[in-house]
Amino acid sequence: EVQLLESGGGLVQPGGSLRLSCAASGFTFSGYAMTWVRQAPGRGLEWISSIVDRGIITYYADSVKGRFTISRDNSKSTLYLQMSSLRAEDTAVYFCTRDRRFGTMYYFDYWGQGTLVTVSS
Amino acid sequence: QTVVTQEPSFSVSPGGTVTLTCGLSSGPVSTSYYPSWYQQAPGQAPRTLIYSTNSRSSGVPDRFSGSILGNKAALTITGAQADDESDYYCLLYMGSDYVFGTGSKVTVL
Repeated sequence: EVQLLESGGGLVQPGGSLRLSCAASGFTFSGYAMTWVRQAPGRGLEWISSIVDRGIITYYADSVKGRFTISRDNSKSTLYLQMSSLRAEDTAVYFCTRDRRFGTMYYFDYWGQGTLVTVSS
Repeated sequence: QTVVTQEPSFSVSPGGTVTLTCGLSSGPVSTSYYPSWYQQAPGQAPRTLIYSTNSRSSGVPDRFSGSILGNKAALTITGAQADDESDYYCLLYMGSDYVFGTGSKVTVL
């Protein structure tokens, strides 16, 4: 059974940093791209960053480019999101997803339960 | 800036049919955008329903179907049930990035 378990969320002050983790199990982690999606309170879903299977190519939404860094450790089956220069508008639930990009399909087939990040003084 | 637009809300009777659409500010939505659809119940993580325009994800009932209608992607729920009451989001692949639609809230009553 595929499982994605996010951790690392919490309360952080504006301008601060936080690192999210996503522990994957039930599939060959190194064979899949991974993506972070967030959802601000009462708002819609927002794609923020993706990383290919070997980690050598990354993609970012303009809203987080230069402040967030996605990475992965395939030996630990873990995805990361390093967030810095955090702003109030980064307050959201952050979801880890398995990304079925490359080939004949481009979508997210499995989702974690999410971890809440609150940016406030 | 790319904007993907969905109708804000729908109301459908139990057993009824509703079609949600997903439009793109820059032009028609085609299969080349690999539209996918996600259902999100309150307080829950999203669930994948449809990918590559019209392929159902594993375990998704066949009352959910995807298509291209005119110049938009579409999700049709045929024979709506009470537990279909959720938010629905489309997703388009833009060549390297992804963009979610604005979301549609479906009420079954």
